[in-house]
Amino acid sequence: AQSVAQPEDQVNVAEGNPLTVKCTYSVSGNPYLFWYVQYPNRGLQFLLKYITGDNLVKGSYGFEAEFNKSQTSFHLKKPSALVSDSALYFCAVRAYSGYALNFGKGTSLLVTP
Amino acid sequence: EAGVTQSPTHLIKTRGQQATLRCSPISGHTSVYWYQQALGLGLQFLLWYDEGEERNRGNFPPRFSGRQFPNYSSELNVNALELEDSALYLCASSSVVGTPGANVLTFGAGSRLTVL
Repeated sequence: AQSVAQPEDQVNVAEGNPLTVKCTYSVSGNPYLFWYVQYPNRGLQFLLKYITGDNLVKGSYGFEAEFNKSQTSFHLKKPSALVSDSALYFCAVRAYSGYALNFGKGTSLLVTP
Repeated sequence: EAGVTQSPTHLIKTRGQQATLRCSPISGHTSVYWYQQALGLGLQFLLWYDEGEERNRGNFPPRFSGRQFPNYSSELNVNALELEDSALYLCASSSVVGTPGANVLTFGAGSRLTVL
């Protein structure tokens, strides 16, 4: 089955520092990978996706992610964190059949002033 | 453009009752997905509907069911409610299967179901 793993339950970063939220994947075939963010009491918002092409994908709100086939990783990054980036981040992979997504457990990002 | 809308926002039921949750997709979207977000369990895929048909189902018992109407809106029904059904139920929609937009799911704010 197509799956992703987020090894960190929580990431703490000081405002202005770079941030990385980790994601590794396990798939058959070529992966379709996604990052979503969830703010408190809200639904998920799409940040970015990798389907094919450049390994560095740029998304919303200054986020980017790097697809690494040899390490089966798709880490989310931002050069300079903002307090407002504090939220729950989900990595996802498209299921083997159809368009539904299989999500990781989520990583809580806390950016402190 | 209106986003994905879900109702009700909150719903309180007791064990054994039935719950019905509703979802209206973004205009032009034909696929609707349902997810359960229970505390500590992450997001679990429930159901995928496209063009009125159930296309895929997650690992949930048959008491979780739903349907998609001709206007592409959808209902999720949960029968014989159990305490562990308490969760945030998220609906998402995407555009026509086979188009680039079909890859991106747009989520609603969710319906919080509490089972007492």
